[in-house]
Amino acid sequence: GAVVSQHPSRVICKSGTSVKIECRSLDFQATTMFWYRQFPKKSLMLMATSNEGSKATYEQGVEKDKFLINHASLTLSTLTVTSAHPEDSSFYICSARVFQAEAFFGQGTRLTVV
Amino acid sequence: AQSVTQLDSQVPVFEEAPVELRCNYSSSVSVYLFWYVQYPNQGLQLLLKYLSGSTLVKGINGFEAEFNKSQTSFHLRKPSVHISDTAEYFCAVGEYGGSQGNLIFGKGTKLSVKP
Repeated sequence: GAVVSQHPSRVICKSGTSVKIECRSLDFQATTMFWYRQFPKKSLMLMATSNEGSKATYEQGVEKDKFLINHASLTLSTLTVTSAHPEDSSFYICSARVFQAEAFFGQGTRLTVV
Repeated sequence: AQSVTQLDSQVPVFEEAPVELRCNYSSSVSVYLFWYVQYPNQGLQLLLKYLSGSTLVKGINGFEAEFNKSQTSFHLRKPSVHISDTAEYFCAVGEYGGSQGNLIFGKGTKLSVKP
């Protein structure tokens, strides 16, 4: 299957700082990339959907000014958690897909805000 | 898809026993379906998919699933599980014609294989 690379896999940051997470589709061009947040023992919560060259579509309840998404090309999307707080600590997963085909997932990023 | 239901949050099973993880969905349009597996602190890996055609699909690691349109189900099965199958399994559904192409995920089923 196609490969989606997500970086970093783990990050610890201080409260109030910003963290950027990258998601790259290595061997295909993704029409759409998705960002999910996964809470312990719970399913994936879709945060936002991004299409290359356009603004991301955020799900209800997700602060777009806090979770900045940039989809600069068909192979790269970034999620920046701004002014991070301990409650932002979570597992963040990106996925990339070509329309109406399977989604391929990154390996996830464990964010810990201290 | 309006919703995806994975009926069992946890399924304990002994090694070499058969297992079935259940998934039901609700949708008013044609759907395509996936099963993903997640190992601790990792992303999701595709196990198998149904897009169209034969309703019985085979995936990696000996898993298979059958799409049943009348029962709106897509249950995952394996005839003989291994310790290494211990993981979280997610069923996901997409709708043909959906504007964004997002997948709706079930809440997951934690499969625990015991020796």
